[in-house]
Amino acid sequence: AQTVTQSQPEMSVQEAETVTLSCTYDTSESDYYLFWYKQPPSRQMILVIRQEAYKQQNATENRFSVNFQKAAKSFSLKISDSQLGDAAMYFCAYRSPGTASKLTFGTGTRLQVTL
Amino acid sequence: EADIYQTPRYLVIGTGKKITLECSQTMGHDKMYWYQQDPGMELHLIHYSYGVNSTEKGDLSSESTVSRIRTEHFPLTLESARPSHTSQYLCASSEWRSSTDTQYFGPGTRLTVL
Repeated sequence: AQTVTQSQPEMSVQEAETVTLSCTYDTSESDYYLFWYKQPPSRQMILVIRQEAYKQQNATENRFSVNFQKAAKSFSLKISDSQLGDAAMYFCAYRSPGTASKLTFGTGTRLQVTL
Repeated sequence: EADIYQTPRYLVIGTGKKITLECSQTMGHDKMYWYQQDPGMELHLIHYSYGVNSTEKGDLSSESTVSRIRTEHFPLTLESARPSHTSQYLCASSEWRSSTDTQYFGPGTRLTVL
């Protein structure tokens, strides 16, 4: 079974600085999908960024980018120019291909953004 | 944000009551899911559906039941609520025909059973 590990329960970053959240996963498959979700306090979980394993290029979405290291099974999220609104729980998730597959979530990293 | 809705957003009820948590989506997604999120914020899949008349149990055993009579609607029912059911419940949906099958989440229902 696949597992997703987020080893940083909490992180803190100053406004305008850059922070990297770590995620590692365990799988024997060669094709899969990876996601980062953001859940602000008492608000809806939203998709931040996603990566297809067959794509070598790292995904980027504005201030959010990933460092996808397939051989190392690592999928870190970099947030540049951090803003107060970035404060949230961040979940890393893995999905195998196939219609029957489900998401496997990590335990989350709580990000605080300070002035 | 995705068009997926949950009602009620907050619910406080007494032990033994029957409750139904509503989830609906307007995206025409085939797959829908229910997650239970504990105070430590971990997400546990409790039910999912591939489409109309399809329901499956998730990874975490739950005393709740679900139904999928219409594509857009995936309600979750607790026949007799107990304090151990106190949690946040998140509904999600996805389109399996898309390459990534990305899940989109509703705002959640925070349930408190006294």
